Amino acid sequence: EVQLVDSGGGLLQPGGSLRLSCAASGFTFSSYGMSWVRQAPGKGLEWVSYISGSGGTTYYADSVKGRFTISRDNSKNTVYLQMNSLRVDDTAVYYCAKDLTWLAYFDNWGQGTLVTVSS
Amino acid sequence: EIVLTQSPGALSLSPGERATLSCRPSQSVSSTFLAWYQQKPGQAPRLLMYATSSRATGIPDRFSGSGSGTDFTLTISRLEPEDSAVYYCQQYGRSPRTFGQGTKVEI
Repeated sequence: EVQLVDSGGGLLQPGGSLRLSCAASGFTFSSYGMSWVRQAPGKGLEWVSYISGSGGTTYYADSVKGRFTISRDNSKNTVYLQMNSLRVDDTAVYYCAKDLTWLAYFDNWGQGTLVTVSS
Repeated sequence: EIVLTQSPGALSLSPGERATLSCRPSQSVSSTFLAWYQQKPGQAPRLLMYATSSRATGIPDRFSGSGSGTDFTLTISRLEPEDSAVYYCQQYGRSPRTFGQGTKVEI
């Protein structure tokens, strides 16, 4: 059974930094791309970032480009999202999601971790 | 980017009725690249349909999808109380992958 466990969220001030983690199990982790998708309170879903199975290819939404960095450690079956220069409008629940490939649907999701940016 | 417009914003139906949810992309989307997700309060989204009409693992056949180009539909026949949720469509054919704003279904 595929399991994705998101962690690392919290409350912080604008301009701060945070690293989210997503621990995966139940599938051959290095064979799949992974994405982060966020959902602002009461709002819809927004894809944030993608990383290929090898970690060699990454993509970002324009809204986070230059501030967020996605990475993965295939020895630990974990994907990360380093978030810097956080803004109030980055406040959201962040979900990791399993991708088949780039430009694919998300067939499994983590439970999400809440990031609140407020002064 | 491709904007997906879902309608209606919300609908309230009775158990056993049929729900018809619409998703209209701002540009033509191949039917290969259209998915639907279900999200219940406090939960992560769950994949329902991919490639317009293929059901994900474990999804009952009460759920069906159809459409092409700029007009897609998710149909839930014989509604059950546990179908109360927000439903999102998503296109994954072009970057950035985008979602509709959601349709809330209340049973």
